[in-house]
Amino acid sequence: SQQGEEDPQALSIQEGENATMNCSYKTSINNLQWYRQNSGRGLVHLILIRSNEREKHSGRLRVTLDTSKKSSSLLITASRAADTASYFCATDSYGNNRLAFGKGNQVVVIP
Amino acid sequence: DAGVIQSPRHEVTEMGQEVTLRCKPISGHDYLFWYRQTMMRGLELLIYFNNNVPIDDSGMPEDRFSAKMPNASFSTLKIQPSEPRDSAVYFCASSSTGGNSPLHFGNGTRLTVT
Repeated sequence: SQQGEEDPQALSIQEGENATMNCSYKTSINNLQWYRQNSGRGLVHLILIRSNEREKHSGRLRVTLDTSKKSSSLLITASRAADTASYFCATDSYGNNRLAFGKGNQVVVIP
Repeated sequence: DAGVIQSPRHEVTEMGQEVTLRCKPISGHDYLFWYRQTMMRGLELLIYFNNNVPIDDSGMPEDRFSAKMPNASFSTLKIQPSEPRDSAVYFCASSSTGGNSPLHFGNGTRLTVT
């Protein structure tokens, strides 16, 4: 069964604004990953956060992980039109290579 | 590195026909995954290989689906016979250490079965 579940809301924001997406999961995990998918393309890995980490940064991306609440958030700061895409979280369980993806969260950045 | 390469990019076939999707993983990656993406069900893991050996095929929907990895640089996903409900985008992905490392996806094969 899929674990990662993003908030189903689509986001439409102005260029320069911040975009925040949330993801919840159900069971214990080893790590949580975020991916981006542009229309008609494959998924591109953005960031991986391990279960013993609480926050991670990569460029304009900030990911938090709260294992007590079984949730994660992805923040994109100073958004650009090129950030328009669907964003997925994915989780694995300990000892399990089955990376389970959520349904995705569509973000539209208006220039 | 050329990344994960999938072919064909698009496939249109009639119900009952055999369909073969192909994938070349990134060199040196020991894990290969096949996913299917639809609007209704999202991304579903069909099967994954480790060192060319199928490890978990519990996501393969029916006996009509089969996957092989004859060597470290090539994998196929076959559907025989195909049905309209198989219409989806099929992705191949590879990684160095399975679920503990980032997956590198190909651009997918969009399959339409009429």
